[in-house]
Amino acid sequence: ETGVTQSPTHLIKTRGQQVTLRCSSQSGHNTVSWYQQALGQGPQFIFQYYREEENGRGNFPPRFSGLQFPNYSSELNVNALELDDSALYLCASSLRGNGEKLFFGSGTQLSVL
Amino acid sequence: AQSVTQLGSHVSVSEGALVLLRCNYSSSVPPYLFWYVQYPNQGLQLLLKYTSAATLVKGINGFEAEFKKSETSFHLTKPSAHMSDAAEYFCAVSEAGGTSYGKLTFGQGTILTVHP
Repeated sequence: ETGVTQSPTHLIKTRGQQVTLRCSSQSGHNTVSWYQQALGQGPQFIFQYYREEENGRGNFPPRFSGLQFPNYSSELNVNALELDDSALYLCASSLRGNGEKLFFGSGTQLSVL
Repeated sequence: AQSVTQLGSHVSVSEGALVLLRCNYSSSVPPYLFWYVQYPNQGLQLLLKYTSAATLVKGINGFEAEFKKSETSFHLTKPSAHMSDAAEYFCAVSEAGGTSYGKLTFGQGTILTVHP
């Protein structure tokens, strides 16, 4: 049990819709990283938030956006959903300066029809 | 840029046999290297990490990995497989410290099957 919770666990949307995924980080952690894991692939880095500011972004288009709140929980928003957005979305929380130790949640499985 | 190649998308061993999962990396700067395990319908759990200290790294559940700079490898081993080791394993790399903190590049994964 990592103490990182994600909601919802499963979600079905249709192409063109918008979706918001939520992550509650482990107590005391100030950094949240989001990853996309397509079926049969390794996770891909989407972006990271540190103290409510975006702190790095992977190769994802602007329709992927995020927020981090004062309590360090986080949201991932995806606009104009495409079929290829179907994947497991993983959130990882960490405490900067704690040796790169990421704690992953169980993920949100998003299906786009 | 950095990348990770995991050789073998599926590895099958008998219970009690040696487990060897291969990982090669590419990085233009000194890397941090990680092995994660993922059980079905779960997130990733850190097995072990290399962050420029000892080249032989011991992790949880009896796993260990050796950083070999000359071979750009970070293979994962366990002397004796257990049924509970059946899972998917991911090797990952990040640039050491600084702005790359927490931004990992993962390999494609290796599914480990353990036969009785």
